[in-house]
Amino acid sequence: DAKTTQPNSMESNEEEPVHLPCNHSTISGTDYIHWYRQLPSQGPEYVIHGLTSNVNNRMASLAIAEDRKSSTLILHRATLRDAAVYYCIIIGGYQKVTFGIGTKLQVIP
Amino acid sequence: DSGVTQTPKHLITATGQRVTLRCSPRSGDLSVYWYQQSLDQGLQFLIQYYNGEERAKGNILERFSAQQFPDLHSELNLSSLELGDSALYFCASSTGIQAKNIQYFGAGTRLSVL
Repeated sequence: DAKTTQPNSMESNEEEPVHLPCNHSTISGTDYIHWYRQLPSQGPEYVIHGLTSNVNNRMASLAIAEDRKSSTLILHRATLRDAAVYYCIIIGGYQKVTFGIGTKLQVIP
Repeated sequence: DSGVTQTPKHLITATGQRVTLRCSPRSGDLSVYWYQQSLDQGLQFLIQYYNGEERAKGNILERFSAQQFPDLHSELNLSSLELGDSALYFCASSTGIQAKNIQYFGAGTRLSVL
């Protein structure tokens, strides 16, 4: 399974953009890049996913490097409700996945 | 609300005992996944079922077993419980087995082994 590397924690000021990086140098050609987040005392929730092209949805944007060995989750305006642990995971065939420790995002008012 | 229902929400039991955790997937979803999250740890994938059949296995102990029934609900059985089995257990569901499928998570079952 492809492994991911993320910073353990990041801080952002409220209403500023946040760029959460993820390295996945062993990704295979057909593996998808998924981002989930886990708010305190809740189950993980889907944020965004992509294969090769950059993706946008109502929650965030996903920027994927041309060689696909890294990606960045972009929250355009961080709010206090965005404080969570963000997981970058690579999903291949049969969806066998492993979530790492993730990045704990702290949003400062 | 993700549409995935897990019961019970909390479970307290003693070492050596056996428990069953239940998961009802979102309507229409055929895949069910089980994950374990220990204190301050990431999620560890345990096992995946698709339409009643086991599809992928992660770091699941031999003392643990799971199954998916014809109505697509799933149960995770944990036996000979040890203190270290205390954790949050999450179930997730998705429509199929493709890598692009989104997983929807339940609220989890918190297991405390005393």
